[in-house]
This record gives sequence, structure tokens and C-alpha cells, in this order.
Amino acid sequence: DSGVTQTPKHLITATGQRVTLRCSPRSGDLSVYWYQQSLDQGLQFLIQYYNGEERAKGNILERFSAQQFPDLHSELNLSSLELGDSALYFCASSATQKTEALHFGNGTRLTVT
Amino acid sequence: AQKITQTQPGMFVQEKEAVTLDCTYDTSDPSYGLFWYKQPSSGEMIFLIYQGSYDQQNATEGRYSLNFQKARKSANLVISASQLGDSAMYFCAMREGGSGGSYIPTFGRGTSLIVHP
Repeated sequence: DSGVTQTPKHLITATGQRVTLRCSPRSGDLSVYWYQQSLDQGLQFLIQYYNGEERAKGNILERFSAQQFPDLHSELNLSSLELGDSALYFCASSATQKTEALHFGNGTRLTVT
Repeated sequence: AQKITQTQPGMFVQEKEAVTLDCTYDTSDPSYGLFWYKQPSSGEMIFLIYQGSYDQQNATEGRYSLNFQKARKSANLVISASQLGDSAMYFCAMREGGSGGSYIPTFGRGTSLIVHP
């Protein structure tokens, strides 16, 4: 068990809808990362937060947004969903922003129909 | 340019044998970390092993060891005494630190390992 909790585990929704993915980092970890994993794109970095502040952005679409709350949990909001957004979304956390390993949650599998 | 290259899309190994999964990386940053993750068919990403660029010794964690060859920029994962439960996708990743480093890990495309009984 990595200590990172992601909910829900599975999500099925229709095109055009909006969903929220939730992540609780490991106890003591200040940094949260969101990744998208699809078959054709591999593991793609979306966005990072550190102690409530956005620190880095990757290939995140404008339809997607995220935030990290004072209790350090994070939410990833996906709106105007398209079929191509179907993927496994991971949250990961680390204690700092340095070169140490990330610890991943079990992921949320999103299916857009 | 790819920062992490895993050239073996698929590997097969006999149970109880050792297997090496290749990973090469590209960075000009003197400070970086290298990791391996395992992703079984159930989907979770399991952290296996970490090697820092300044570490003198190769990292080991149980049956996992990282063959770190800095001059060749390679960080191969060695799994000894393979077990059926080792069948999974394996990802190599790197975080660059130091000046100009973003600390955001980049991942290779992965290697699928199948362990035969």
C-alpha cells in the first residue's frame, strides 16, 4: 500500500459531462502530481501542486483543471469530456519537490461513452 | 528527444531465472534520480527501486537491483529468481534536479515482462 488514496476507482460517463477525481497524498507529503495513462500516449504528466500552490504544468488540456486544498488533498476536474479522455488517471505524491521517488495511488479508470 | 528510453517492448523469462530490463536516459543535469515502477494487470503503479546520481553503490531492494552505469547513462533493472507474480509492465523514470531542473519525473514507454512457469 503506497499510502496514496484515489477515488473513485472506476468512472463511466458520457461525452460532454464533467467529473471530479479525488486524491489524498501520503501522510506528510506536500507535493501532488497528476498523470494520465493511455495506450497510445503512455504516462503523461498533467500538473503538480506543492503545499497548495501550482508548481508545474504538463500536457494538461484547458478543459482540465486541478487544485490542492489546505488539507493537501487534491482534485482533478475534467469537463466537456470526449471519447479520447478515456484513460487511467493517477495521482502521486512525494515529500518534497526534489529527486526522490513518487508514490502512486491505484488510479481512476475513466471511461467516456 | 526522449529522456528515458526502454528499448524492449516485451521480455520473456523462465521462472526462477534472472532477467535484465534495459533503460537508458538522457540528461545534462548532474543531479537526478532514477526509478523503476511495476504495473501489474490490475493497474496500480508500484515503486520498486531508486538510484540517485551521486550514489556510489548500485541500489538493491530484495530481488531487485539497479545496474547503474553513469558514463553509459544506463539504469537497468535486474530481477533475480523471477516469480510468476513478476509478470507486469515495468517503467523506468527519471527526475532531474539542480539548476534548470523541473523535478517532474519523465517515464519510459515501459517493458512488458512475462514469466513462464
